[in-house]
Amino acid sequence: TQLLEQSPQFLSIQEGENLTVYCNSSSVFSSLQWYRQEPGEGPVLLVTVVTGGEVKKLKRLTFQFGDARKDSSLHITAAQPGDTGLYLCAGPNNAGNMLTFGGGTRLMVKP
Amino acid sequence: GAGVSQTPSNKVTEKGKYVELRCDPISGHTALYWYRQSLGQGPEFLIYFQGTGAADDSGLPNDRFFAVRPEGSVSTLKIQRTERGDSAVYLCASSKSADSYNEQFFGPGTRLTVL
Repeated sequence: TQLLEQSPQFLSIQEGENLTVYCNSSSVFSSLQWYRQEPGEGPVLLVTVVTGGEVKKLKRLTFQFGDARKDSSLHITAAQPGDTGLYLCAGPNNAGNMLTFGGGTRLMVKP
Repeated sequence: GAGVSQTPSNKVTEKGKYVELRCDPISGHTALYWYRQSLGQGPEFLIYFQGTGAADDSGLPNDRFFAVRPEGSVSTLKIQRTERGDSAVYLCASSKSADSYNEQFFGPGTRLTVL
């Protein structure tokens, strides 16, 4: 069974601060995805990382896939209140027909 | 364009009752997935359809849960003899095909509360 563990579970910071969220597993994944979910809505895909060591940037968000493809991180620079939400990492099973999600990191950015 | 829609958005029922949750996927998406998200947790896989058939139902917790997709589009998740532990948000997602590189688009979910 592939498991994904996210840390921290909760993060409350002031606007303008930087933060990093981690997603770890003992299993190798062909790819990892990061989602953001707001209350009352479904998760929305932010990025997919595929290659070990890959770094992708999405405005103030930087995503990294570990060299061994067992872990990933999300770094947010100069966080804004609009970044508030639940951040989820997810990886596909070998058949690619389901996603295993981490427990999520609930981020609150205070103005 | 229309995204994935789910009805009802909220459902309150009593223990022991039967409920049906509906999912309308994005038009043309052949793969459809159901996930369950308990409070404070990430979504957990329940079942996956490729076309009309349930290709993987390994995530269904027990035989009280059943899902259908008779025409390869709309899907219904059915829960018999509901229990308080079934309370959660039930998410539906669809993708062009079942491939790890195909994005799954999620609906807003149905929040089920079993009293």
